[in-house]
Amino acid sequence: GDSVTQMEGPVTLSEEAFLTINCTYTATGYPSLFWYVQYPGEGLQLLLKATKADDKGSNKGFEATYRKETTSFHLEKGSVQVSDSAVYFCALRAAGTALIFGKGTTLSVSS
Amino acid sequence: GAVVSQHPSRVICKSGTSVKIECRSLDFQATTMFWYRQFPKQSLMLMATSNEGSKATYEQGVEKDKFLINHASLTLSTLTVTSAHPEDSSFYICSAPSGLAGTGELFFGEGSRLTVL
Repeated sequence: GDSVTQMEGPVTLSEEAFLTINCTYTATGYPSLFWYVQYPGEGLQLLLKATKADDKGSNKGFEATYRKETTSFHLEKGSVQVSDSAVYFCALRAAGTALIFGKGTTLSVSS
Repeated sequence: GAVVSQHPSRVICKSGTSVKIECRSLDFQATTMFWYRQFPKQSLMLMATSNEGSKATYEQGVEKDKFLINHASLTLSTLTVTSAHPEDSSFYICSAPSGLAGTGELFFGEGSRLTVL
């Protein structure tokens, strides 16, 4: 079945450092890809999405490009802030189905 | 964006009692809603798909009689944890798709943290 694999955390960075969180997927069709963020004690918020190959999703300085050839959707940010500390989930959604999540990566940014 | 509201956000109950969690789509209609469960520091696991006007579809390993799901209207789905026990303590999150596109984003409720004593 479809699945998502993302890098294990935690990821610990200093403020203004470059961030990459790797995500790869396995899917039989042409899913949409997402990054969701969860702040402590809260629900999930959509960070960005891409619906087809070569699409780039971006929001709040975060970016991810849908790479069909490498089945990847890596999350990047050029300069992280303390307020970016959260858990980040990579996810895919095939037509008409629920979201399938990766295990989540905890990001801690210190000043 | 679309708003999904969940209630209650926190609930503490005694072992053996039942707890109902409501999930409402506030500004759109949702014929389908998804219920997830999240253990501490873990990912979200799909429990069931709630379908308006019909029976829910449960994922493998999820007890239908333990987790009763009712989707009585286009804006409300409920999850009832029956005869709750401490191992049912968890964070339960509902979500719903907006629009007709089958691969669009899901909007999530705030989550409900259940603690069974």
